[in-house]
Amino acid sequence: EDQVTQSPEALRLQEGESSSLNCSYTVSGLRGLFWYRQDPGKGPEFLFTLYSAGEEKEKERLKATLTKKESFLHITAPKPEDSATYLCAPRYNFNKFYFGSGTKLNVKP
Amino acid sequence: DTAVSQTPKYLVTQMGNDKSIKCEQNLGHDTMYWYKQDSKKFLKIMFSYNNKELIINETVPNRFSPKSPDKAHLNLHINSLELGDSAVYFCASSPQTSGTTDTQYFGPGTRLTVL
Repeated sequence: EDQVTQSPEALRLQEGESSSLNCSYTVSGLRGLFWYRQDPGKGPEFLFTLYSAGEEKEKERLKATLTKKESFLHITAPKPEDSATYLCAPRYNFNKFYFGSGTKLNVKP
Repeated sequence: DTAVSQTPKYLVTQMGNDKSIKCEQNLGHDTMYWYKQDSKKFLKIMFSYNNKELIINETVPNRFSPKSPDKAHLNLHINSLELGDSAVYFCASSPQTSGTTDTQYFGPGTRLTVL
């Protein structure tokens, strides 16, 4: 059965302390892996899409990478405003996105 | 201008009632979705419409019925509400169903509480 697992469930960092979030998936026929950020009480906000193993994308302090079985979201020198839940969502066919339960990131000043 | 809007934001109701949640997008997108986010924060797709046509209908009780009067609107009607229906429901839209312009844009969510 197709599954998505995100780790850790929660991560507390000091401002400036870099780290990585993991998204591992078992899937046949991956058609893109999406990363979203979700703030409390709001809908997910799109960050990145990765389509093939080896692909990388960057946005400010975030960099997403993709292998055949997992994706990483690297956070460099995070700031308190980066605190949020980060969701990954592999897409298995043209319309089906399977979301992980997320990593809740808390960055302390 | 809000891209994807949902009403109401909060909905508290009794078991057995029928309720509707409305969604509108002003992005000109072709595809719209309904997701349910449970207490463990998993987002699960329920339905997807492309140009008013139903293209995804996941294993969802038939008490849930989506309706798309035009491609900018996708409403969700729920009959005979049950305690387990309590969750946050998100509407989303995307430009098309495949390719590189399929980013989903989410609404703010509707928190449904069934008492």
